[in-house]
Amino acid sequence: AQSVSQHNHHVILSEAASLELGCNYSYGGTVNLFWYVQYPGQHLQLLLKYFSGDPLVKGIKGFEAEFIKSKFSFNLRKPSVQWSDTAEYFCAVNVPGTYKYIFGTGTRLKVLA
Amino acid sequence: ETGVTQSPTHLIKTRGQQVTLRCSSQSGHNTVSWYQQALGQGPQFIFQYYREEENGRGNFPPRFSGLQFPNYSSELNVNALELDDSALYLCASSTGQKTYEQYFGPGTRLTVT
Repeated sequence: AQSVSQHNHHVILSEAASLELGCNYSYGGTVNLFWYVQYPGQHLQLLLKYFSGDPLVKGIKGFEAEFIKSKFSFNLRKPSVQWSDTAEYFCAVNVPGTYKYIFGTGTRLKVLA
Repeated sequence: ETGVTQSPTHLIKTRGQQVTLRCSSQSGHNTVSWYQQALGQGPQFIFQYYREEENGRGNFPPRFSGLQFPNYSSELNVNALELDDSALYLCASSTGQKTYEQYFGPGTRLTVT
């Protein structure tokens, strides 16, 4: 069965620090990969997505993610976080042509001003 | 463009009761998926509806059922509520059966006492 692992459950950073959140999935075939963000009191929003092509994907608000097929990973990065990045971040996997998304358990990021 | 809306925002029910949650999909979207997000967890796929037919189901018992209407709005019904059903219920809409990109609503917070 497919699964998604997010190893960091809680991350606390100071403003301007660099961010990397890990995401690993278990599925041997082609996948679509996503990062969603949930700001306090708001709904899930798409941060970035990877379907095919360049494994380095750029999203909104300065976020990027790199797909490394050999490691089954899709880590999220941001060079310099801001207080407004405080949120919960979810990695998700979809097998193309199927109806299901599999979400990770999320990483709560707190950025200290 | 109208986003995904859900009603009600919050709901408190007693164990054994039945509940109906509603979702209006984003304009132009004909596919609706429902997810359960327990506290501290990622969203778990319940089922998906495409053009009024159930298109796939996750590991949820039959007391979780749904409907999709000709205007592509949807309902999630849960019978014989249990305490563990307390969660945030999310609706997501997309175009077509290939769920490449979903747009989430704000969710309904269900509390079962």
